[in-house]
Amino acid sequence: AQKVTQAQTEISVVEKEDVTLDCVYETRDTTYYLFWYKQPPSGELVFLIRRNSFDEQNEISGRYSWNFQKSTSSFNFTITASQVVDSAVYFCALSGFNYGQNFVFGPGTRLSVLP
Amino acid sequence: SQTIHQWPATLVQPVGSPLSLECTVEGTSNPNLYWYRQAAGRGLQLLFYSVGIGQISSEVPQNLSASRPQDRQFILSSKKLLLSDSGFYLCAWEPGLKAPTGELFFGEGSRLTVL
Repeated sequence: AQKVTQAQTEISVVEKEDVTLDCVYETRDTTYYLFWYKQPPSGELVFLIRRNSFDEQNEISGRYSWNFQKSTSSFNFTITASQVVDSAVYFCALSGFNYGQNFVFGPGTRLSVLP
Repeated sequence: SQTIHQWPATLVQPVGSPLSLECTVEGTSNPNLYWYRQAAGRGLQLLFYSVGIGQISSEVPQNLSASRPQDRQFILSSKKLLLSDSGFYLCAWEPGLKAPTGELFFGEGSRLTVL
């Protein structure tokens, strides 16, 4: 069975601090996708990144970076120099290479960035 | 470009009343469509998915049902709402004809409160 764990339920940081959101996954599939989504207070989920299991290269996009380590089944997300607008619930998700019915979300981490 | 809309955005219904949430996708054909529910302070739970007109798969047994009368229309219904049906309902789509990527695009969400 597939499972995504986000052990941090809530995190609070002060603006400009760096923050890392942890994600650990379980799957028996040898090929899969990992995702991060952001859910701001408005409720709509916003896609941030997709990473396939063949590619363990870390990725950086502006203040966002992702660390994929297959050996520890982790896909952590770091925000550098956090801003108030980063306050949101962040979901890590796992999907097989087939239809999205294998799409499993973690419970989410609520990040509050204080001014 | 592709867009997804769902309505109503907010709904307050008494226990035992019927429910109909509608979701439509524009700018694409043959999408895979999904209904998720997010209970207060919790993660996302997949309720239904559809890979074509009239094709509905249910992930969780409950008093909800889904229908896909047209290619880009997905409806979530209930004949008699329960208190436990309260939550935030999200519709999502992904390209169906290409190899599924698991990259889901979400609607704005519908917040249901059952009293």
